[in-house]
Amino acid sequence: NAGVTQTPKFRVLKTGQSMTLLCAQDMNHEYMYWYRQDPGMGLRLIHYSVGEGTTAKGEVPDGYNVSRLKKQNFLLGLESAAPSQTSVYFCASSYSKRGGPIEQFFGPGTRLTVL
Amino acid sequence: QKEVEQDPGPLSVPEGAIVSLNCTYSNSAFQYFMWYRQYSRKGPELLMYTYSSGNKEDGRFTAQVDKSSKYISLFIRDSQPSDSATYLCAMSVTVSNYQLIWGAGTKLIIKP
Repeated sequence: NAGVTQTPKFRVLKTGQSMTLLCAQDMNHEYMYWYRQDPGMGLRLIHYSVGEGTTAKGEVPDGYNVSRLKKQNFLLGLESAAPSQTSVYFCASSYSKRGGPIEQFFGPGTRLTVL
Repeated sequence: QKEVEQDPGPLSVPEGAIVSLNCTYSNSAFQYFMWYRQYSRKGPELLMYTYSSGNKEDGRFTAQVDKSSKYISLFIRDSQPSDSATYLCAMSVTVSNYQLIWGAGTKLIIKP
């Protein structure tokens, strides 16, 4: 199993350009998440999905859109990139189980620089 | 004020030392407490979790929760250079609450 994979690993954009980050998981997890990680800020939730065809806003959703057309894929879009969106983006997935916390499984991250 | 506070470090200790990493929180409704480890340029991975108060031990690692003080700790015994990483705490209210509240992470450096 590959677990959670992210494409691309690195990207440099100019202000105003658009791009899509792809996340794929092969663990049949219901829940998927997009986070950004900035120095001193920890992980901040951008958007999440509780199942195929559903999405919801997290803590910092402005400037981003998401889609979950297939259970295994979660796409994060930047329509008009801004320098403030320079960050490391992590995708994660999780499942629900009785008697224990929801462990989130993370991808390797995408390093995005917006000039 | 953030819901979860964590000293970003870096915390540098010699190999073999006992390490103590801590988080404080403000929401008394948190019941599930997790520690994730993140190596440089990698995604976080779950290290340990505890439910409510008490201790949990796993090899060289011990997680401790003090709900009365709203304080959680992760202890690492006989620290190794391979323990060098950023340690993030995360918390949730219930097991069905899939949204975790994260600390900023503490960078730990174990010197050989």
